[in-house]
Amino acid sequence: AQSVAQPEDQVNVAEGNPLTVKCTYSVSGNPYLFWYVQYPNRGLQFLLKYITGDNLVKGSYGFEAEFNKSQTSFHLKKPSALVSDSALYFCAVRDGGTDKLIFGTGTRLQVFP
Amino acid sequence: NAGVTQTPKFQVLKTGQSMTLQCAQDMNHEYMSWYRQDPGMGLRLIHYSVGAGITDQGEVPNGYNVSRSTTEDFPLRLLSAAPSQTSVYFCASSRQGQGTEAFFGQGTRLTVV
Repeated sequence: AQSVAQPEDQVNVAEGNPLTVKCTYSVSGNPYLFWYVQYPNRGLQFLLKYITGDNLVKGSYGFEAEFNKSQTSFHLKKPSALVSDSALYFCAVRDGGTDKLIFGTGTRLQVFP
Repeated sequence: NAGVTQTPKFQVLKTGQSMTLQCAQDMNHEYMSWYRQDPGMGLRLIHYSVGAGITDQGEVPNGYNVSRSTTEDFPLRLLSAAPSQTSVYFCASSRQGQGTEAFFGQGTRLTVV
């Protein structure tokens, strides 16, 4: 069965510093991986996805993610964090047989001024 | 574009009551799904549908029913509400296919007392 794991419940970073939110995956077949962000009292918003091709994927709001097949990871990154980036971030994978979107448990990102 | 619309935004039920959470999308998406979000558990899939007339169970289907009579609508029914169903519920839609991102509604916060 497809699954993703987010090993950190919370990540704290100072504004202006680079940030990384970690995600590892377990899939049979080709991985189709996604990152979503949830701001307080809002629904989830799509940030970026990896289907195939370049291992570095660029997305919304200056975020990017690095796909690493050998480490089965898909970490979310941003070169310079903003206080407004503080939110809950979810990694997800599509199940190949059913198209179900399966989520990790989420990582809360806190960016301090 | 309205996208994915969920109603109501908030609801309080008494144990044993029934209700229907509404979800509608105007993007002609084939795939629709319902998730519940609980602290520390991420988003868990309740039911999903790959098209009108076709539904299937997700990870946590017990206590919930769904139907899909049209492409646009995918209501979630709680037959006899229990306190364990207190949660935030999200509806999502997407085109069919592993590489497609999902669009989410704003959520329904349900409290069962």
